Amino acid sequence: EAQVTQNPRYLITVTGKKLTVTCSQNMNHEYMSWYRQDPGLGLRQIYYSMNVEVTDKGDVPEGYKVSRKEKRNFPLILESPSPNQTSLYFCASSAGAGYNEQFFGPGTRLTVL
Amino acid sequence: GENVEQHPSTLSVQEGDSAVIKCTYSDSASNYFPWYKQELGKRPQLIIDIRSNVGEKKDQRIAVTLNKTAKHFSLHITETQPEDSAVYFCAASDNQGGKLIFGQGTELSVKP
Repeated sequence: EAQVTQNPRYLITVTGKKLTVTCSQNMNHEYMSWYRQDPGLGLRQIYYSMNVEVTDKGDVPEGYKVSRKEKRNFPLILESPSPNQTSLYFCASSAGAGYNEQFFGPGTRLTVL
Repeated sequence: GENVEQHPSTLSVQEGDSAVIKCTYSDSASNYFPWYKQELGKRPQLIIDIRSNVGEKKDQRIAVTLNKTAKHFSLHITETQPEDSAVYFCAASDNQGGKLIFGQGTELSVKP
């Protein structure tokens, strides 16, 4: 089954404790992206990757890191999480940028205390 | 950079009525405008999209119109049904880069 998976689905952590949210897709998609969803603000793009070893900042990259060492995986790293990073995070992938449907993962609800 | 404004933030209609959601964008280089639907507790899913060389696109009860001169595009849902209740997001991108900018979302409620 074609899908985008994220882990963990739920996470409660404390300020400053490094964490990684994994994202994996099995559709051989070149493009992957991370979004955060907050009430009233819609979906905001954090980082995206056009292909392996190619990443770029979205609209809200501060406090986040990403890497794309393999085509299927695109982990999101929070080196020193803060309470303002409490949010619902979605990973997405598509065949390419632009005129392509993005397929979203199930989401990761993160709470930083 | 691109900015997308979406209105209204909430919309309540009676079953069978039509619903219209409007978005404006700022970057004239944007040429791809998808709409995503997010049901409660679920992930966003693409429902329809339009490219800048097209003025209107229809898919059954859903249609999207684009006015490039005014930089706005709209989602039209006819004969609404309770299962249309969800949050709808518009978005814009320029197809060259990887940025996809979303609007703030519209919570549509269809009352039976």
